[in-house]
Amino acid sequence: KAGVTQTPRYLIKTRGQQVTLSCSPISGHRSVSWYQQTPGQGLQFLFEYFSETQRNKGNFPGRFSGRQFSNSRSEMNVSTLELGDSALYLCASSYYRDRDTGELFFGEGSRLTVL
Amino acid sequence: AQKVTQAQTEISVVEKEDVTLDCVYETRDTTYYLFWYKQPPSGELVFLIRRNSFDEQNEISGRYSWNFQKSTSSFNFTITASQVVDSAVYFCAHSTGRRALTFGSGTRLQVQP
Repeated sequence: KAGVTQTPRYLIKTRGQQVTLSCSPISGHRSVSWYQQTPGQGLQFLFEYFSETQRNKGNFPGRFSGRQFSNSRSEMNVSTLELGDSALYLCASSYYRDRDTGELFFGEGSRLTVL
Repeated sequence: AQKVTQAQTEISVVEKEDVTLDCVYETRDTTYYLFWYKQPPSGELVFLIRRNSFDEQNEISGRYSWNFQKSTSSFNFTITASQVVDSAVYFCAHSTGRRALTFGSGTRLQVQP
């Protein structure tokens, strides 16, 4: 069974640009969550999508957005990049069950460097 | 708000030693979930265990064991007879029933041969 696939794995951008990251969940998983990992702030929840709807959102500015497609694949976008956006962005998928967190299965992440 | 504290930033042991990773959490919720994840150098977080707040039974899985104590708000993780392959960063996390996990800062475990 294929795991969570994230693309691209590495990318370099400059300040002010925008970036789009992609995540393909495990087959059959309908929930996709995104996390940011930085040395200073650690792992922080960005948002969660289920059935193409954002179900939960973390404490990030509006420059961070996402969407989910009908096949459960998800993308996240960061506009007007800042140096502090340099991070490992992790996607996680799960078999959504209400009132039960369940297990989250993570991809290897997309490492973004902003120069 | 929830908070997860992993006071041990880095631990170094010699192979075959036992090691315990500490996790203390703060929550006002009566129903919640606790997790441990392992992050090897490749970057992905590998799920190790999930516990819900009404199940305080300790669990053993091979060389891994977990001690959940609500009285002290702790969910500690012990690796018995550590191996070099256990070297990784280990994260404890908390959730109130949705997919938004609150992670601790992680403990880097180095197992020397």
